[in-house]
Amino acid sequence: QEQLQQSGPGLLKPSETLSLSCSVSGGSLGSYWWTWIRQPPGKGLEWVGYVYYSGTTNYNPSLERRATISIDTSSDKVSLKLDSVTAADTAVYYCVRDVSMVRGIVGPWFDLWGQGTLVTVSS
Amino acid sequence: QSVLTQPPSASGTPGQKVTISCSGSSSNVGSNYVYWYQQLPGAAPKFLIYINNQRPSGVDRFSGSKSGTSASLAISGLRSGDEADYYCAAWDDSLSGYVFGAGTKVTVL
Repeated sequence: QEQLQQSGPGLLKPSETLSLSCSVSGGSLGSYWWTWIRQPPGKGLEWVGYVYYSGTTNYNPSLERRATISIDTSSDKVSLKLDSVTAADTAVYYCVRDVSMVRGIVGPWFDLWGQGTLVTVSS
Repeated sequence: QSVLTQPPSASGTPGQKVTISCSGSSSNVGSNYVYWYQQLPGAAPKFLIYINNQRPSGVDRFSGSKSGTSASLAISGLRSGDEADYYCAAWDDSLSGYVFGAGTKVTVL
């Protein structure tokens, strides 16, 4: 059974860089869009951005170009970096598989979610 | 503030039908498919409805619909296990990205 396994530090100081990775077990990256979603404590979901298997990316403009999502097909890993974090970036971050492209349909068709990583930004 | 508008809460007694609305605009709900996700307490969201009204295998009692710039999710035969937050989502042509509603918390009385 395919699973997404996330890893990365859970505590950062303001101005540091958030760095998370996501690996696929029981499967491969395939021809999917790999997406990061975040959820501040007690709040709703926010789309961070996605990377396609080819390396093409798209980001939420609200992140003001601080986010970088990359893909390593040799190790079947997807990574998220978020620069210059503040307390407002405190959230649970989810790695998510988007099958929209494979299905030829506009999404967000998120069929597989990682366990989530709580990242807290505090001095 | 979320791009898609959902009521913050909805409730019903066991066996009842509960409906959750999701209001958007011509750049998202009005021109693209709507998806629904269920988030049980302490868990990651789970895929519930795709392409406005299609259900993945294993999902029953949940139905979706869309008309114009609004969509809705109906839960029939409400059960205590349905207590969760429900989110609508869509592609937004103006943002060139995905947008979500703020979520609706369903309580079974």
